[in-house]
Amino acid sequence: DGGITQSPKYLFRKEGQNVTLSCEQNLNHDAMYWYRQDPGQGLRLIYYSQIVNDFQKGDIAEGYSVSREKKESFPLTVTSAQKNPTAFYLCASSPRGQVDYGYTFGSGTRLTVV
Amino acid sequence: KQEVTQIPAALSVPEGENLVLNCSFTDSAIYNLQWFRQDPGKGLTSLLLIQSSQREQTSGRLNASLDKSSGRSTLYIAASQPGDSATYLCAANNDYKLSFGAGTTVTVRA
Repeated sequence: DGGITQSPKYLFRKEGQNVTLSCEQNLNHDAMYWYRQDPGQGLRLIYYSQIVNDFQKGDIAEGYSVSREKKESFPLTVTSAQKNPTAFYLCASSPRGQVDYGYTFGSGTRLTVV
Repeated sequence: KQEVTQIPAALSVPEGENLVLNCSFTDSAIYNLQWFRQDPGKGLTSLLLIQSSQREQTSGRLNASLDKSSGRSTLYIAASQPGDSATYLCAANNDYKLSFGAGTTVTVRA
C-alpha cells in the first residue's frame, strides 16, 4: 500500500543534541512538508519541498534543517538552536501542482526533550 | 497570511445526534479546503477535499460545504457514533501550502 512512513514514533533528545526525524513516501509525490503540532494549536509549517534538491522555509523554520536528495525522502533535523523542540511532528506529501489531490500525512513522531 | 479558525473548540453529544463543525478562513483565494480526522497521538486522516469551484462534498455520513465568498466551511456528520470521537481539523490550501485551524475535539457519548 502507498503511504508515508515516519520514524521513529517516539524520540528523546538531550539538551544540546541534534536529532533527525525520518520521512519516506512511496506515493510518487513531488511535494513534501513538515509540520509541527503543539497542544491546542493548529499545525504549523516548518519546511516544504516542491522538487528534489529544492526546499523553502515555512512559518517556523528557525532551529530546523532539511534535505531533499531523493524524491521519496525528506528528513528533518531538529538542531540545538531550537529552544522548545518538544512537540508532535508530522510529515505530509502531495502531487505537485495538482490541486484536485489532497495531502497525505504520516503517523507522526513525538519528540521530547529530557 | 491565511488565518483559519474552528469553532467550537470542543463538543460533546449523545450518540445519534448530528454534528456540525465550523471552519472559517480569512483569505478566500484558496485552491481547496480539506477536512481531516485525528485520533489521540496519531497522524491525520483525510476525510473530505472540496475544490474551490465546489459547494459541497459528501462521503457516507459526512458532508462538507464550502462558501468561499464568506470564508466558511462546515462539516456535518450525521447520526454520530462513539467511533466518531476524535479531533477534526480543517485546512485551507493557498499557493500549495496548508493553513490549519486548531481543531474541534468531538466526544460522542454512548
